[in-house]
Amino acid sequence: DAMVIQNPRYQVTQFGKPVTLSCSQTLNHNVMYWYQQKSSQAPKLLFHYYDKDFNNEADTPDNFQSRRPNTSFCFLDIRSPGLGDAAMYLCATSPGDIDYNEQFFGPGTRLTVL
Amino acid sequence: AQSVTQLDSQVPVFEEAPVELRCNYSSSVSVYLFWYVQYPNQGLQLLLKYLSGSTLVKGINGFEAEFNKSQTSFHLRKPSVHISDTAEYFCAVSPGGNKLVFGAGTILRVKS
Repeated sequence: DAMVIQNPRYQVTQFGKPVTLSCSQTLNHNVMYWYQQKSSQAPKLLFHYYDKDFNNEADTPDNFQSRRPNTSFCFLDIRSPGLGDAAMYLCATSPGDIDYNEQFFGPGTRLTVL
Repeated sequence: AQSVTQLDSQVPVFEEAPVELRCNYSSSVSVYLFWYVQYPNQGLQLLLKYLSGSTLVKGINGFEAEFNKSQTSFHLRKPSVHISDTAEYFCAVSPGGNKLVFGAGTILRVKS
């Protein structure tokens, strides 16, 4: 089945230690998104790629970076995680070439910062 | 700017009872509307979407929603809930472009 895959599902890191979360898709979608979701809140968009074009949200901290080396993969790098960065990180995709923006989500990676 | 308001942060309901989760959006132009469900420690799963046409939209797991343009609402309903429907539900609007605007979410708690 076509899907969005996130690894790992659970990630533990130490305060200040860089961490990378990965996302892959078999949907061949043009757009890939990274969201941060804290407990009982709506997902908050960090950035998205339309093909290779990177689009950062204005309020995304510089501590968060992303890479998309090819259509299938996208990575979220947190350069110096703080305690406030503990959250669920969701990857999503959308076709990008249709009028409506239906997004397809992965299962998420829950990040714990010690 | 687009906004989505989910009027209830939590909705408790007994098993086999009907439920309605309310969603209002702000828009002066055509929009596309979605309901997503999120089970604990999972990603978001699409329940249903309104793109055009019939205002009553049927989705998975027995859910349906009605688009009401004059009231700018897109309320989600299920005639008889199960324990397994316990989850958080997000209403979202696609105003065009490559983003979704989400509501704050409604936690549905089904009690036996």
